[in-house]
Amino acid sequence: EIVLTQSPGTLSLSPGERATLSCRASQSVISSFLAWYQQKPGQAPRLLISGASNRATDIPDRFSGSGSGTDFTLTISRLEPEDFAVYYCQQYGSQSWTFGQGTKVEIK
Amino acid sequence: EVQLVESGGGLVQPGRSLRLSCAASGFSFGDYPMSWVRQAPGKGLEWIGFIRIKAYGETTEYAASVKGRFTISRVDSISIAYLEMNSLKTEDTAVYYCTRAFSRGDAFDIWGQGTMVTVSS
Repeated sequence: EIVLTQSPGTLSLSPGERATLSCRASQSVISSFLAWYQQKPGQAPRLLISGASNRATDIPDRFSGSGSGTDFTLTISRLEPEDFAVYYCQQYGSQSWTFGQGTKVEIK
Repeated sequence: EVQLVESGGGLVQPGRSLRLSCAASGFSFGDYPMSWVRQAPGKGLEWIGFIRIKAYGETTEYAASVKGRFTISRVDSISIAYLEMNSLKTEDTAVYYCTRAFSRGDAFDIWGQGTMVTVSS
């Protein structure tokens, strides 16, 4: 099973700042099978990015994904108030799906 | 509107069984694989199971933590997916989300609101 490790655990930033979230895999991940989700308190997760870099429907272009192999990044170019949330990466491979432990983006 | 609505959660004693339902609407249910993801209180997301479409035999995959205890099924004629949970343990306490997967199964683009399952004596 591929283990995904997200860093940092918590990111304290101000609105308007750039957020860079990391997701590292224990073994190589097929890039097209790496996704990112956003979850706000009391809500279900929402798909942001699939295929490592493809924004899902209605996701603003301030969200971008990149990476390959074992290192992937989610970047939020300029944080809006509604972006403060928990973010999870997720991979699919060998008939198994795993999530990272999450990164909380909080208001500084 | 594309929507998934889970039901069937509640309080159950350890060792007992529970069946969750996921009612889909707004899309051609039979064309999509479905999956279940859970989230223990204050914890992260855990994938627990996946069911393919009829064309792929409605075959299933499970996380090691639930394999042999949980069973996913689907009835395309009524657009419902099920999660049958047996031999429940206290560590199964979580919000259970039903999700729609991409056709190739790699990501989950639609999520239900979740249903809470509490396993406690």
